[in-house]
Amino acid sequence: AQSVAQPEDQVNVAEGNPLTVKCTYSVSGNPYLFWYVQYPNRGLQFLLKYITGDNLVKGSYGFEAEFNKSQTSFHLKKPSALVSDSALYFCAVRGRRDNTGKLIFGQGTTLQVKP
Amino acid sequence: DTGVSQDPRHKITKRGQNVTFRCDPISEHNRLYWYRQTLGQGPEFLTYFQNEAQLEKSRLLSDRFSAERPKGSFSTLEIQRTEQGDSAMYLCASSRPQGAYGEQYFGPGTRLTVT
Repeated sequence: AQSVAQPEDQVNVAEGNPLTVKCTYSVSGNPYLFWYVQYPNRGLQFLLKYITGDNLVKGSYGFEAEFNKSQTSFHLKKPSALVSDSALYFCAVRGRRDNTGKLIFGQGTTLQVKP
Repeated sequence: DTGVSQDPRHKITKRGQNVTFRCDPISEHNRLYWYRQTLGQGPEFLTYFQNEAQLEKSRLLSDRFSAERPKGSFSTLEIQRTEQGDSAMYLCASSRPQGAYGEQYFGPGTRLTVT
């Protein structure tokens, strides 16, 4: 069965410091991997995706993520956090053999960036 | 793109009543998804349409739930005889025709409260 784990319910970072939000996955075969962000009372916004190729993926708002096949991880990173990055972040996966494209989400990690 | 829209944004209903939600996807997107999100959890897949055809339904979608996309454009999700356990955020998403691996664009969601 496909699954996604986000081991941290909350990550606290000081503004200007680097941030990492962790994600590990379980899927048969090679995965497609996604990160989404959710602000209060708003829908999920796409940040970035890994399909194939370079293991380091760059996305919106200065975020990037590193795909590590051996560790089955896809951690979200940003070199310098902003207070406005504070939100709920979701990692999602789908298997390449699944033609529906449906996403399996982790439980989410709240990122709190303090001034 | 005008984005994915959902109506209503909030719905409060009494147990046993029927409710219907509407989703308008991005116009050129042929794939449409419904997800359910409960507090503290990531979205969970409910069902998927490609054009007007409903191609997959989750086991979460009990026989009290029905979804339609009659002309391959907007979609409706109906819940009959609502129960308190149905209280959740219902999210709609759409993606482009190559969207088997493409990102999904989410609407703001409909928050259902069953009293």
